Amino acid sequence: SQQGEEDPQALSIQEGENATMNCSYKTSINNLQWYRQNSGRGLVHLILIRSNEREKHSGRLRVTLDTSKKSSSLLITASRAADTASYFCATVGTTDSWGKLQFGAGTQVVVTP
Amino acid sequence: NAGVTQTPKFRVLKTGQSMTLLCAQDMNHEYMYWYRQDPGMGLRLIHYSVGEGTTAKGEVPDGYNVSRLKKQNFLLGLESAAPSQTSVYFCASTSVPNYGYTFGSGTRLTVV
Repeated sequence: SQQGEEDPQALSIQEGENATMNCSYKTSINNLQWYRQNSGRGLVHLILIRSNEREKHSGRLRVTLDTSKKSSSLLITASRAADTASYFCATVGTTDSWGKLQFGAGTQVVVTP
Repeated sequence: NAGVTQTPKFRVLKTGQSMTLLCAQDMNHEYMYWYRQDPGMGLRLIHYSVGEGTTAKGEVPDGYNVSRLKKQNFLLGLESAAPSQTSVYFCASTSVPNYGYTFGSGTRLTVV
């Protein structure tokens, strides 16, 4: 069973606009991670936020975490055509000692020039 | 280049055939994982290893076996391939749990 659920499933925006996607999860977590996957490629780690953190930034990425609502959001500011990819959230549960990630189904983002 | 290397990149198998997927990492990572990715379902964990000589089952282990004889290699075996095992397989590794993974570029497997 999947831990995370991303919303929306697909997102189409123009270059320069912001892209926001959300992730909800079911059980208590140690941390939540976001990954990007370009078509036909492997996943690339973007950012990790721990359960005691509320917000993190990395370049044009902003991630928030609300553990009371069991949800997270990923904001990509000033999007570029190169941001076209699928984005996945993944969680590590509090009872997990081995870092096993549980993934959601992903959000497909298309950025048009 | 440092990272996770998966071989082969593509493979077509007939039902009942066997094969081994190889994952090699040169980052001295202890933890290695095998995932499968199916359309609309995200990634699901097949097996994982927390160190040389150790393996454990993940969420969807049936029909697969693994071995970690050397720290840098994690092998995924299909003893008798079935069409339901048609998928893209990803290997990942990390030095410490609760840090980000490094993923390989995947193996696209089709079982006919």
